[in-house]
Amino acid sequence: DIQLTQSPSFLSASVGDRVTITCRASQGIRSYLAWYQQRPGKAPKLLIYAASTLQSGVPSRFSGSGSGTDFTLTISSLQPEDFATYYCQQVNSYPLTFGGGTKVDIK
Amino acid sequence: EVHLVESGGGLVQPGRSLRLSCAASGFPFDDYGMHWVRQTPGKGLEWVSGISWNSGKIGYGDSVKGRFTISRDNAKNSVYLQMNSLRAEDTAFYYCVKDMYPYYDILTDQNWLDPWGQGTLVTVSS
Repeated sequence: DIQLTQSPSFLSASVGDRVTITCRASQGIRSYLAWYQQRPGKAPKLLIYAASTLQSGVPSRFSGSGSGTDFTLTISSLQPEDFATYYCQQVNSYPLTFGGGTKVDIK
Repeated sequence: EVHLVESGGGLVQPGRSLRLSCAASGFPFDDYGMHWVRQTPGKGLEWVSGISWNSGKIGYGDSVKGRFTISRDNAKNSVYLQMNSLRAEDTAFYYCVKDMYPYYDILTDQNWLDPWGQGTLVTVSS
């Protein structure tokens, strides 16, 4: 199975900050990576797929990059509604696997 | 608007069975693959099972293979997860999730998961 390692596991930031989360795959997954946002008590919501394609309706302050084994999710200017947990997920091969999550909290 | 509504969760004893249902609406259900994904505080998110739009391909995670069975009824716009021989480690929120693209078999590299239902809690405990 492909392991996805996210870092950091937790980060504290302020409104307006630029935030970067990384996801490293245990083997190459080309660009078959997605990013999700999960708010407390809610289901995960797809933000980005194919490493850098913004899902419809997702604000442009979110962006993704990377290919192979190293990927990043960037929030250019953190907004109050962005305080949540973020997960990466690969669809390169089965079983589909997820990273352990990065919780973004208010500083 | 796509709606996925899970039901059937609850408290069950170890070794017993439970059947989850997911009622779908707002899209042509029989065109899309469907999945179950579970979430626990300890193990995070785990893909459980998936079924292609025409039931032609089915897959399971290793931890549930041989115990869980996924099925769908396109006439009822529903997907199911039959869970047998339940264990304490199966305790989780179970989400029903739709493939983003139509007509793709599962077990391909095009199974982007969107959107997700609100989830149903399964607790396995004596």
